[in-house]
Parts: sequence; C-alpha cells; structure tokens
Amino acid sequence: AQTVTQSQPEMSVQEAETVTLSCTYDTSESDYYLFWYKQPPSRQMILVIRQEAYKQQNATENRFSVNFQKAAKSFSLKISDSQLGDAAMYFCAYRQPHTGANSKLTFGKGITLSVRP
Amino acid sequence: KAGVTQTPRYLIKTRGQQVTLSCSPISGHRSVSWYQQTPGQGLQFLFEYFSETQRNKGNFPGRFSGRQFSNSRSEMNVSTLELGDSALYLCASSWGQGTYEQYFGPGTRLTVT
Repeated sequence: AQTVTQSQPEMSVQEAETVTLSCTYDTSESDYYLFWYKQPPSRQMILVIRQEAYKQQNATENRFSVNFQKAAKSFSLKISDSQLGDAAMYFCAYRQPHTGANSKLTFGKGITLSVRP
Repeated sequence: KAGVTQTPRYLIKTRGQQVTLSCSPISGHRSVSWYQQTPGQGLQFLFEYFSETQRNKGNFPGRFSGRQFSNSRSEMNVSTLELGDSALYLCASSWGQGTYEQYFGPGTRLTVT
C-alpha cells in the first residue's frame, strides 16, 4: 500500500522569505502523480501544484515549486517570497493515474505553516 | 465556472440518527470522491463514484454509503451515527476516472452529540 509521510507537523517563516515543506512517500509503482494541497482556516482544500512521476522537470506555479527526487521518493514544496495568505495547512498527496482500487488520493498528515509579519 | 458545492455546511446530529450529505461537482465533471477529515486520522478516502457507479471504496463500515445521480451530483449517507463520525466531510470532483486533478468543495462539518 502507498503511504505518504510529512514528518514536520509545524513550520514558521518570515514574510518575504523562502520555506521548504518536506514530504516522502512509499510506492512500488513507477507511474503516479504527486500533489500539494493547501487548506486555509476556511477549510477549503486548494490544489497548489502537481507533479507527474514520469517527468524529470520539477513543476512550478508562480511562487510555488517542487523538488521531486524519484529515486529517494521525496517531494518537497518550496514557497518563495512568503505572504501572509500562505498561512495554512499543507498536505502532500499521492495518486495513481489509472482507475481501480488505487485511484484514490492518499494524503500525508499535513503541516501547519505560519507566516510571521 | 462554479466550484464544487456541498450542503449543508454545518450539521449537528444525535448519536443513533442518520444523516445525508450532498455534493454538486463542477459542471462537466463526472467523478465524485468523498473523504473524511479528523484531527486524529487525517484525511481518509471514503468512496468514489463515476457515471452513477461506485468504483472505489475505502475502509469504512457499511454504515457509510453513497450514490451518484445522472447529473453527477452525489450524496453520502451515514446511518446509526456514532460520536466518532464527527468530522469534516469533503467532496472532490474530477473530469473523469483516473484523471489526476481533484477539486474540493468547502466540506460539511458534522458534529455528533
């Protein structure tokens, strides 16, 4: 079974600084997708960024980028120029692309990010 | 395009009662998944529906059930509520099965007393 581990329960960053959130996963599959979701206090889960395992290039979305290390099964999220609105819980998630029993999203426990003004 | 909507947003029920939660996916999306979020267990997959058929089910007791209608709207039902069912229930929609992007609704906060 696939597992996703986020070992840091909380992190803090100064506004305008850069922060990296860590995630590791375990799978025997070679093809899969990885995601970072953001859940602010409003509780609405928002997709931040996704990475396809077959792509060697790391995904980027504006101030958000990932460091995907397939061999190490590591998938970290870097937030540059942190803003107060980035304060939220961040979840790392794994999903296989095909249908069937493993098409669900498997989430890590999440990390609470606070941004200091 | 409107996002995923869930109703009601908040619900308080008594142990032993049953509850039905509703989810309307993004227009054009045909797959709906349900997740339970609790502080202790985190986010856990309940089930996934596509074209009115349950395609995937998580490790939850039979008290948890769901269905999907021809317009892709979905409902989940919990019978004989227990205190441990208190949670945030999240619905997510995607265009099709196996499609990798899921978009979440705001959730329904269920409190069982």
